Amino acid sequence: DIEVTQSPSSLSASRGDRVTITCRTSQSIGSDLNWYQQKPGKAPNLLIYGASNLQSGVPSRFSGSGSRTEFTLIITSLQPEDVATYYCQYSDNTLITFGQGTRLEIK
Amino acid sequence: EVQVVESGGAVVQPGGSLRLSCAASGFSFDDYTMHWVRQTAGAGLEWVSLISWDGAVSSYAGSVRGRFTISRDNSKNSLYLDMNSLRIEDSGFYYCVKDRQFGFASGYSHPMDVWGQGTTVTVSS
Repeated sequence: DIEVTQSPSSLSASRGDRVTITCRTSQSIGSDLNWYQQKPGKAPNLLIYGASNLQSGVPSRFSGSGSRTEFTLIITSLQPEDVATYYCQYSDNTLITFGQGTRLEIK
Repeated sequence: EVQVVESGGAVVQPGGSLRLSCAASGFSFDDYTMHWVRQTAGAGLEWVSLISWDGAVSSYAGSVRGRFTISRDNSKNSLYLDMNSLRIEDSGFYYCVKDRQFGFASGYSHPMDVWGQGTTVTVSS
C-alpha cells in the first residue's frame, strides 16, 4: 500500500505570508494528487486537482506543484478566510486515501 | 444548483444496521462516480467507498469492507450506503460526494468536487 505523510500537522502564519504544505507518498503516483480546504464546521472544498490544476472558483493565491512522491500546496498571500484544515488526497487504483491534515491558523 | 443532500443518519446500537441515502440534483447523476467519505469527531477525513457511474465498479476502505455496501439508483438520482455490523468506531459524520471526472477510470485520482453537508451516525449502547 502507498503511504502518505502530510506536513506540518499544524502551522501559524501572519496575514500576507507565503504558506507551504507538503505531502509525500511512499511510491510514485505521477501527478495524481488533489488538495482540499475544510473550514470549521463546513464540508471540504476541492482546491487543486491533478497536482497543479486550480479548481474553478478557487482564488489564484492557491497553487499546487509536484509530481511522483512530493507535492506542495502554496498560499502566496495568506488571508484571514484561509483559516482551515487542508488535506491532500490520492488514489491507488480504486482505493482512496486522505493525508492526515494540516491545521492552519492566523497569528 | 449542483448539490447532494444526505439523509438517514441516526443513533444505533453496536452490531446494528443503518441505510444512508443521498439525493443528487443539478447535474447528470448517471455520468459520475460517487463516493462516501466520513469524518470522526475532531479527526481527519476517511474515504469509505466509491461506485462508478453505472454501478459496475465499487470499492471499499479496508475498515468497512464486508460490512458496508454502496449502491445507486440512477433513475432516482440517488446514492445509498447500507451499513451492517456497526461498530463504535463507525460513528461520525458521513458525506456524500461527487467525483469531478466524467465517467470512470480506475487509474484516476478521483478529485471530489461536490460535497453534501453530511449526516451523523452515532453507534452507541
